[in-house]
This record gives sequence, structure tokens and C-alpha cells, in this order.
Amino acid sequence: DGGITQSPKYLFRKEGQNVTLSCEQNLNHDAMYWYRQDPGQGLRLIYYSQIVNDFQKGDIAEGYSVSREKKESFPLTVTSAQKNPTAFYLCASSIRGTDEQYFGPGTRLTVT
Amino acid sequence: GEDVEQSLFLSVREGDSSVINCTYTDSSSTYLYWYKQEPGAGLQLLTYIFSNMDMKQDQRLTVLLNKKDKHLSLRIADTQTGDSAIYFCAESIRPWVNQGGKLIFGQGTELSVKP
Repeated sequence: DGGITQSPKYLFRKEGQNVTLSCEQNLNHDAMYWYRQDPGQGLRLIYYSQIVNDFQKGDIAEGYSVSREKKESFPLTVTSAQKNPTAFYLCASSIRGTDEQYFGPGTRLTVT
Repeated sequence: GEDVEQSLFLSVREGDSSVINCTYTDSSSTYLYWYKQEPGAGLQLLTYIFSNMDMKQDQRLTVLLNKKDKHLSLRIADTQTGDSAIYFCAESIRPWVNQGGKLIFGQGTELSVKP
């Protein structure tokens, strides 16, 4: 079955630690995206990548970093510079040049 | 600027119709989307409408688009308790030629269906 997987579903970290969230897709999509979701707010775009070895900042990139070494994978690192990292993180992918995005199940990150 | 607005809550009785409304600001949007999110889960694409259409029907779902007023609605007929979820509308914008667009999401409308 084709789809997007994110792991783990729940993640707990101490303040000051970097943490990496995994996103893998087997849909053969070129484009991948990371969003952050906070209660009562819509999704906000963190980073996106239209093709391997290339990515661009979204609207709230500060304190985050990504890499895109393989088409299937787009990991997101939440660094200690991110002031308010506790949130629900969603990964999505789409065929390059289209807007129809398909989402993974999300990772809930709690930083204390 | 780009902005998408939705009311935050809607409560209906099982069997009634639900209408979820959305307004957007970017008149150059090509597609408008509706996504459904169940508790603790990712977003599921429900339906979409191309900006040159007025209406699209897909089983119990009807999407209406008023491009002049930049107003989009999702009607769910015969609403069931399994329809309880958060519904997001999203507009696509394409600031870059030949590249996939950005989706701008509303805040989401939490639909509560009472038996």
C-alpha cells in the first residue's frame, strides 16, 4: 500500500535537546512538506522540498532544519533554537507541479 | 495578503445537513480544497474544486464556490456521528512558475454531530 509514514507518533524531549522527526513516502512524489499544527490554528508551513537535494523555507522556518537526500525521505530537525516546539507536526507530499497534498498521520512532540 | 477564515465550531443533529463555510482572499487561487482531520490523526483529502467551477458534488458532499465573494462552502448531507471531525479548507497559490503551489489553510471548523 502506498502512503506516508511518520514516526514516532508521540515524542518527548527535554528543553535544549535537538530532535529529528521522520517522514517517509512510497508514493513516488517529488514534493514533500512539513507543517506545524497548534490548537485552534490552521496548519503553518515550516519547510518544503520540490525535488531531491533542494528545499525552501516556509512561513515559520526559524528553529527548524531539514534535509532531502532521498526522494522518499524528508526528516525534520527541531533544534533547541525553536522557542515553542511543543506541537503536532504533519508531513505531506504531492506530485511535483500539483497542489493536491497527501498527509501522514502526524507526530505529537512534547518538550518539557 | 493570503488569509483563509473559517468559523471554529458547528454542532448538528444526526441526519441533518451540515454546512461549513470558508472565505479566502487570494483571487488567483487555482484550486480550493477540503480536508478532514479526525482526533490525533493526519489530514484526509475530502474533495476539491477548480476555481472556474461553481459547484461540485461527490456522494454526500457538495462544494459551492462563489468566486465573486471569495466564499467556499462544504455541505454534508445526512450527517452521521462518524462525520464528527475538524474540517479545513485550503486555497492553493502559485507564486512560482512551474512549481507546486503553496496551500494556505483555514483554522479548521470542529463539527460535532449529536445523536
